[in-house]
Amino acid sequence: GAVVSQHPSRVICKSGTSVKIECRSLDFQATTMFWYRQFPKQSLMLMATSNEGSKATYEQGVEKDKFLINHASLTLSTLTVTSAHPEDSSFYICSALGQGGAARNEKLFFGSGTQLSVL
Amino acid sequence: GDSVTQMEGPVTLSEEAFLTINCTYTATGYPSLFWYVQYPGEGLQLLLKATKADDKGSNKGFEATYRKETTSFHLEKGSVQVSDSAVYFCARAGTGFQKLVFGTGTRLLVSP
Repeated sequence: GAVVSQHPSRVICKSGTSVKIECRSLDFQATTMFWYRQFPKQSLMLMATSNEGSKATYEQGVEKDKFLINHASLTLSTLTVTSAHPEDSSFYICSALGQGGAARNEKLFFGSGTQLSVL
Repeated sequence: GDSVTQMEGPVTLSEEAFLTINCTYTATGYPSLFWYVQYPGEGLQLLLKATKADDKGSNKGFEATYRKETTSFHLEKGSVQVSDSAVYFCARAGTGFQKLVFGTGTRLLVSP
């Protein structure tokens, strides 16, 4: 079946540094990818929607200058957490949309997530 | 706004026990409802879904019924196995048909 590869799975970094997370669709093309994050004991929250070749759409309250999203090809989207701080420590997960929409959801595939810890 | 509430875990059961994981959602209209499962080291996978009221989604022995009167979509399995140990996420379709609204996830631990 379709696979979404996300890496790294875990990253620890110092405060003030930038971290890049990659999300690749391995055997299908994804014109749309979604980035979520989950703080401890909270829900997975949508951060942004990434469309290939265009600017990402960010959810309310998500800083677009801090969380840079690049979707330069049909198989790769990256999320860069710039100048990371301890409050950015969270679980980040991507998903890729194949044909059809999440309302039917057979075509929505998730990566395994990245646990970011900022010291 | 749209939200999904599911029971806190972890849920710890012995093999062959009956499982229920509760999930309720806020209702604006009749959104499609989903259960996803995440096994260790893997991505979330769709477990089952229901697209309208009274629909029952089922897969791998798991079932959930779309109850509009109680705005619930509880996950059940009659006899769990050790291999069912995972994190289970309840979700509803959000605004914009491509977006999902998730619950917090419930970790299930099944012991032999």
